[in-house]
Amino acid sequence: DAGITQSPRHKVTETGTPVTLRCHQTENHRYMYWYRQDPGHGLRLIHYSYGVKDTDKGEVSDGYSVSRSKTEDFLLTLESATSSQTSVYFCAISDDRANYGYTFGSGTRLTVV
Amino acid sequence: KQEVTQIPAALSVPEGENLVLNCSFTDSAIYNLQWFRQDPGKGLTSLLLIQSSQREQTSGRLNASLDKSSGRSTLYIAASQPGDSATYLCAVRWGNNDMRFGAGTRLTVKP
Repeated sequence: DAGITQSPRHKVTETGTPVTLRCHQTENHRYMYWYRQDPGHGLRLIHYSYGVKDTDKGEVSDGYSVSRSKTEDFLLTLESATSSQTSVYFCAISDDRANYGYTFGSGTRLTVV
Repeated sequence: KQEVTQIPAALSVPEGENLVLNCSFTDSAIYNLQWFRQDPGKGLTSLLLIQSSQREQTSGRLNASLDKSSGRSTLYIAASQPGDSATYLCAVRWGNNDMRFGAGTRLTVKP
């Protein structure tokens, strides 16, 4: 979707190294989310943000941190990557009005070796 | 705990058939319900969004219905085509930070 971009699209990293994934939006939406998608588990929420510098944990937040210093950018950091964090990561945005759905980015495929 | 269930997990139909995908959810106090399509190795594309106050939404050959009282939604696809082959995900939003996804239905439409 043109209003939300993720970078990088693909990344291979070694166990124990830090990794940062970026989500950028041009829609000026208040809410931003990071999900991971794994076979057998579906989509699970890692962290979300409800405004600049306002973030909270999702259901699978261990090993991840996030930051949002600007409305348009939401960063997901793996402080010390592990093989269990090999996954496809999706960013999503939404407004807080009930008639807004979620818009997803194209995803980042992360492999930890 | 809010949960979303999709049945069937997989479906294979010949081209031209009409088909129905099912989604059920716990807790009827929803904001909205959204149907997504996901092609292999790709992101999620929004198909239809139904507000809590609505009963159905239509887009082309797609029609989604919502029955909050029974905790159900259906996605109807008319005159299926091979290009409709994908995984279809149902997502229910209960709050600004609470959207849950079903595991999806993998649809194959055979020429």
